[in-house]
Amino acid sequence: KAGVTQTPRYLIKTRGQQVTLSCSPISGHRSVSWYQQTPGQGLQFLFEYFSETQRNKGNFPGRFSGRQFSNSRSEMNVSTLELGDSALYLCASSLTTSRRDYGYTFGSGTRLTVV
Amino acid sequence: QKEVEQNSGPLSVPEGAIASLNCTYSDRGSQSFFWYRQYSGKSPELIMSIYSNGDKEDGRFTAQLNKASQYVSLLIRDSQPSDSATYLCAVNMKGDPGTASKLTFGTGTRLQVTL
Repeated sequence: KAGVTQTPRYLIKTRGQQVTLSCSPISGHRSVSWYQQTPGQGLQFLFEYFSETQRNKGNFPGRFSGRQFSNSRSEMNVSTLELGDSALYLCASSLTTSRRDYGYTFGSGTRLTVV
Repeated sequence: QKEVEQNSGPLSVPEGAIASLNCTYSDRGSQSFFWYRQYSGKSPELIMSIYSNGDKEDGRFTAQLNKASQYVSLLIRDSQPSDSATYLCAVNMKGDPGTASKLTFGTGTRLQVTL
């Protein structure tokens, strides 16, 4: 069974540019969440999608957006990149969004460097 | 107060000893608790989940939950050098009014198992 696939693995962008990251969840998983990981802040929740609907959003500026498609694949977009956006972006999928069954499987992440 | 707090470590234990990792959380209504292990340069992987007060054992790992004290712990028996990693505590917490719950992570405890 294929795991969570994130593309690309590495990205280098210039300040002011925009970027789109992609995540394909495990087959059959309908919930996709995105996290930003930095050495100082740890894993910070960005947003969660289930059946193409955003269910929750973290405390990030509006430059961070996402969406989910009917096949459960998800994308996140960051516009007007800032140096502080440099981080590892992790996507995680789970079968449901039940408060009880909330174990995530993470992808390998996309390492974004903004210069 | 952080929502999920962990001691950043490093926690150093000799090979064969018991490693004890601790986590406290702020949302008294939280129902689901998880421990993830993250090796350097890799993404987090789920190692334990616990939902009820008490202990849950899986091989060398034991998760302990005390909802009254808002405290979760992970014990690793017979620690091995391969256990050296960062251990992340995650709690499924209520979202803001009108939003779904979200999985909130602590910043992790770095464990070093020495020979």
